[in-house]
Amino acid sequence: EAGVTQFPSHSVIEKGQTVTLRCDPISGHDNLYWYRRVMGKEIKFLLHFVKESKQDESGMPNNRFLAERTGGTYSTLKVQPAELEDSGVYFCASSQGAGDFNYGYTFGSGTRLTVV
Amino acid sequence: LAKTTQPISMDSYEGQEVNITCSHNNIATNDYITWYQQFPSQGPRFIIQGYKTKVTNEVASLFIPADRKSSTLSLPRVSLSDTAVYYCLRVIYNQGGKLIFGQGTELSVKP
Repeated sequence: EAGVTQFPSHSVIEKGQTVTLRCDPISGHDNLYWYRRVMGKEIKFLLHFVKESKQDESGMPNNRFLAERTGGTYSTLKVQPAELEDSGVYFCASSQGAGDFNYGYTFGSGTRLTVV
Repeated sequence: LAKTTQPISMDSYEGQEVNITCSHNNIATNDYITWYQQFPSQGPRFIIQGYKTKVTNEVASLFIPADRKSSTLSLPRVSLSDTAVYYCLRVIYNQGGKLIFGQGTELSVKP
């Protein structure tokens, strides 16, 4: 079974530019989550999709961040325009149910975003 | 949402049993506790999850006492490859199963 795939693995962009991160969850996983770790801080929740619907976007930092999940398959997270404080590692996780008790969530390896 | 509290770092030797404790005084009735392992440049990986008492799987045991204010992850006979960061997390089931991360425990296993 393929895992959760995120790309790019690294991205370096200039302040003010736009970046789009992509996450391909495990096939059949209805639940998809985005998390991020900014420098020196803990990993924090950004938002949660169930299929193509946003269930909870309470962790999105501001309106420069836009997440979509087309057709309930892959998801994208766009940052426009990027600011220096957006630098960090962005993780995607998926599960069949909202937190499988025996198998938990499967995380991708993350996208390391550097805004210069 | 209150985070969990765990030791920042721990050292151990190969072959020893390692117990990592976690404090979650304000855990809500619907929350579960789950533990994840993370290696550098990788995403967190699920280890075990529980609500109360003891849960055991092929890699670890998790004990949560009746008051649920703390939990202990037990790793039997660690090896060098168990060197990683271990996170004790709250699973907020009444908010779609979101995870609340703390700072994690950096475990170093020495030969």
